[in-house]
Amino acid sequence: DIVMTQSPHSLPVTPGEPASISCRSSQSLLYSNGYNHLEWYLQKPGQSPQLLIYLGSYRASGVPDRFSGSGSGTDFTLKISRVEAEDVGVYYCMQALHTPRTFGQGTRVEIK
Amino acid sequence: QVQLIQSGAEVKKPGASVKVSCKVSGYTLSELSIYWVRQAPGTGLEAMGGFDAAEDETIYAQQFQARVTMTEDTSTDTAYMELSSLRSEDTALYYCATYFILGTNYYVFWGQGTLVTVSS
Repeated sequence: DIVMTQSPHSLPVTPGEPASISCRSSQSLLYSNGYNHLEWYLQKPGQSPQLLIYLGSYRASGVPDRFSGSGSGTDFTLKISRVEAEDVGVYYCMQALHTPRTFGQGTRVEIK
Repeated sequence: QVQLIQSGAEVKKPGASVKVSCKVSGYTLSELSIYWVRQAPGTGLEAMGGFDAAEDETIYAQQFQARVTMTEDTSTDTAYMELSSLRSEDTALYYCATYFILGTNYYVFWGQGTLVTVSS
């Protein structure tokens, strides 16, 4: 199974400031179709995870443009350009190239 | 719109088995690839396995291979995940999920989760 490694584990942020989360996979997620099969999720307390980014850099429907995804191969980054209070929760990266789909350990984003 | 409705909470004794269901509505099960994820209290998301459309088979995560069985009943559009030889560490919220492509948009849908408690 592909192993996903996220950092940091915890990220205190100031509203209005940027934030960045890194994710590394044990195998390349770049498929022959030219796309990276990497997704980002936000899980708010008591809720199921919600999709933010798919194919490495494409925002899901309804996701604010302050969220962006980048990277290729084995190294990926999720950036929030200006953090808002509603962005708190745990962020996960997930590889969607191979079954089983595997997740990073999560990054807890909290307001300072 | 795809909806995944899961069965209710379960309490099991160590050594027993549990079978969680995930009913699909909005589309038919045969149009989707269902996968299963669990989340123990206060921890992260753990992949259990699912149907791989490219391989046309169900693939399990290594740590569950000996104890998990995932099946589908296309006549009722219901997917099932059965976990055997339960131990206290299997206490968790179990989710089914699926992805769906519509035009140029990509969606992921999750069930509401089924809490399984393993306790003597």
